[in-house]
Amino acid sequence: DTGVSQDPRHKITKRGQNVTFRCDPISEHNRLYWYRQTLGQGPEFLTYFQNEAQLEKSRLLSDRFSAERPKGSFSTLEIQRTEQGDSAMYLCASSSLGGPSSYEQYFGPGTRLTVT
Amino acid sequence: QQQVKQSPQSLIVQKGGIPIINCAYENTAFDYFPWYQQFPGKGPALLIAIRPDVSEKKEGRFTISFNKSAKQFSLHIMDSQPGDSATYFCAAAMDSSYKLIFGSGTRLLVRP
Repeated sequence: DTGVSQDPRHKITKRGQNVTFRCDPISEHNRLYWYRQTLGQGPEFLTYFQNEAQLEKSRLLSDRFSAERPKGSFSTLEIQRTEQGDSAMYLCASSSLGGPSSYEQYFGPGTRLTVT
Repeated sequence: QQQVKQSPQSLIVQKGGIPIINCAYENTAFDYFPWYQQFPGKGPALLIAIRPDVSEKKEGRFTISFNKSAKQFSLHIMDSQPGDSATYFCAAAMDSSYKLIFGSGTRLLVRP
């Protein structure tokens, strides 16, 4: 088990471009979460999936953001028409579905997005 | 009501000291309180977590103390080492929504 992986690790894009990030959760983890972290702050929840169903979305997730988890395995987060305010670290986490460990979220290394 | 307030913002201790980081919450529906450690350029790593039916939990050099009536919890790091220098985040979650609500973080520096 190699943990949660994210790709790419770094992305630099120009304002107005679209970007897509990928997250591969720990195998057999049914829940997958996306968070955003800006410099000097704690991560902020964006959205989460249980299997392929998107169960909750934050108000932070504007209509320019879309997330998918088509087969209940990996997930993608797309940002359309990027703005400078989108510059942040985008973190993915996963957890198992049942039992006492269902709360335990394990984070990937993150994708650092810089919008110029 | 969704906030988790963390203090101090930064902390410097000597090697072997016991840094203490505090968090407070308002929402009594929270029932899971983890602590994460984050090094620069890395994702947060789960250190230790506690549920409100327990007042203290120890794992290695890390201890969580939990005060349900005061709605506060804290992290103690015993025999701190320079390698513990990192940013520490408290968080909270509830079973109606597993999303984590994070505190603002504490930057810890352990001097040799």
